[in-house]
This record gives sequence, structure tokens and C-alpha cells, in this order.
Amino acid sequence: DIVMTQSPDSLAVSLGERATINCKSSQSVLYSSNNKNYLAWYQQKPGQPPKLLIYWASTRESGVPDRFSGSGSGTDFTLTISSLQAEDVAVYYCQQYYSTPQGYTFGQGTKLEIK
Amino acid sequence: EVQLVESGGGLVQPGGSLRLSCAASGFTFSSYWMSWVRQAPGKGLEWVANIKQDGSEKYYVDSVKGRFTISRDNAKNSLYLQMNSLRAEDTAVYYCAREKITMVRGVIIPLWGQGTLVTVSS
Repeated sequence: DIVMTQSPDSLAVSLGERATINCKSSQSVLYSSNNKNYLAWYQQKPGQPPKLLIYWASTRESGVPDRFSGSGSGTDFTLTISSLQAEDVAVYYCQQYYSTPQGYTFGQGTKLEIK
Repeated sequence: EVQLVESGGGLVQPGGSLRLSCAASGFTFSSYWMSWVRQAPGKGLEWVANIKQDGSEKYYVDSVKGRFTISRDNAKNSLYLQMNSLRAEDTAVYYCAREKITMVRGVIIPLWGQGTLVTVSS
């Protein structure tokens, strides 16, 4: 299985400041035949299901504010919130969907709070 | 309104069985791959299984292979998860999820239900 490791486990950022969350996969999730990274980012607030933010590593889902961006390739990826808002307090997960169906694994999550 | 509503969760003893259902509405159910994803209390997300539009392909995470069966009834706009030989570690909120249609196939999940809690305990 591909193991996804996020860092840090938790993060406190001041309102209006930049927040950066990292995700590393145990093997590349870049499919060479189409040059796509099979990596998504989700946001989960307490008591709610996850919400898709980013897919193909950098494509923003419809309706997601443009302060959210994704970058990276191969095994190293980053979710950036350019100017933190109060409503961004949540747990963020990366997910790979590259592997054959032994499991489309998620990272352990990063808890984002306001400093 | 586009939505997914799960039902069927509850308390079951180890070794027991449970069948989860997911009622889809507001979209053409038969056009989408569907998934089940679970989340143990206070823990992260784990993809469990998915099924192709016509039910001809089904995939499972290794930990549930041989115990869980995903199925669908497109005439009833419904997704199911039959769970047998349940273990304490299967305790989780189970989410029904609709996968995104993209030019290149990928298990990308923009639509989730609210989840149903399964508790495996004696």
C-alpha cells in the first residue's frame, strides 16, 4: 500500500496569515502516461463529512475559494491557504488515488487552528 | 437537492452482520462510481470499497476483503454495504460517497453523505 504522511500533525496560524500543510507519499503518485498526480485534498470540520478542495494535486474543486491551492509532484505535495480565515479551522487530509485497489489511502490528517 | 442519506448503522456484536444502505437523490445515480469510506471515532479516513456504475467492477481495501460486499440497485437509486464477521476495529462512521466524473478515471470524492455509525462491541 502507498502510505501518506502529513506534516505537521497540528498547526496554529494567525488570521490573515499563510498556512502550509505537507503530504508525502511512500511512492510516486505521478502516472507517467498522462502526467497526472493522483492526489487530492479534503477539509473536514467537526461533525461534518469531508469536503473536496483539490484534486489532481492542483485543480481546485468548483466553489472552493481561491485562497486554497495545491502544489507538488511525485511524492511531495503541499496545500496552501494564502490568507487564513476563521472558517478554515478544520482537519485537512491528503488522499492518493493512484494505487491499484488495495486502498486509496488518506494521510493521518493535520489539525489547523487559529493562533 | 443532490444528496446521499445513509441508514442501517447501529450496535452489533463481534462476529455479527449489518447491512448499510445509502439512498441517492437529485442526480442520475446510475452514471457514477460510488464508494464507502469510514472513519473510526476520533481517527482519520479510510476508503473501504467502490463499485462501477453497472456493478460489474467492485474493489475493496484489504482489511475488509471476504467480509464486506458492496452492491447497488440503480432502479432504486441505492447503494449497499453488507458487512459480515464484524470486528471491533470496524467500529466507525460509514460514509456513502459519489465519485467525480473526470476525463481520466480517479477516485475523487466531491459528494458525501452525513454518515451512519457502526459500533461493534459485546
